[in-house]
Amino acid sequence: DADVTQTPRNRITKTGKRIMLECSQTKGHDRMYWYRQDPGLGLQLIYYSFDVKDINKGEISDGYSVSRQAQAKFSLSLESAIPNQTALYFCATSDPDEAEQFFGPGTRLTVL
Amino acid sequence: DAKTTQPPSMDCAEGRAANLPCNHSTISGNEYVYWYRQIHSQGPQYIIHGLKNNETNEMASLIITEDRKSSTLILPHATLRDTAVYYCIVRKWSGGYQKVTFGTGTKLQVIP
Repeated sequence: DADVTQTPRNRITKTGKRIMLECSQTKGHDRMYWYRQDPGLGLQLIYYSFDVKDINKGEISDGYSVSRQAQAKFSLSLESAIPNQTALYFCATSDPDEAEQFFGPGTRLTVL
Repeated sequence: DAKTTQPPSMDCAEGRAANLPCNHSTISGNEYVYWYRQIHSQGPQYIIHGLKNNETNEMASLIITEDRKSSTLILPHATLRDTAVYYCIVRKWSGGYQKVTFGTGTKLQVIP
């Protein structure tokens, strides 16, 4: 089984809808991250969490919110989706040394 | 954070060594060089990292110049499965969070 899983893998929604992307990990890591990737571009950090009580904004947090329900679960919400939030979304985890980050398979989100 | 510069694309013949350069002329003394790769919209995969000494693992070698202003990732015997976008990232490594900026990377095409 994969160490970092994301659901759904693909989602099409309409402008104005609320949507939640979920991430679960079995690596036992405290640190979790949400990134988005636009076509042909690198990854941009949306939010990150060092533990269930520590959540921080990243580079592009406007229009997004997160919830850290447990050490293993980190959800990303779009309260009112807009078309320019169409992107590939990745969840990642790391240990405190952060020698590497482990990424999930991604969620492809399309907002019409 | 120090910025990195990578060529947008490179080709490499299958079985030959792939040498991917990265320029990080503004790197500071406590910043590490990390390499990740992303295979066709999958989640990025950690490859290797180093501070100032050359490093080798089962995937690749990392050569960092003495002045640390540039580095080269070497895939010793490239295979078709190494076709991917390779990201060079510079970041600190300490207890707090360090912003990880994924640029646009180098798209490596391994040719049969």
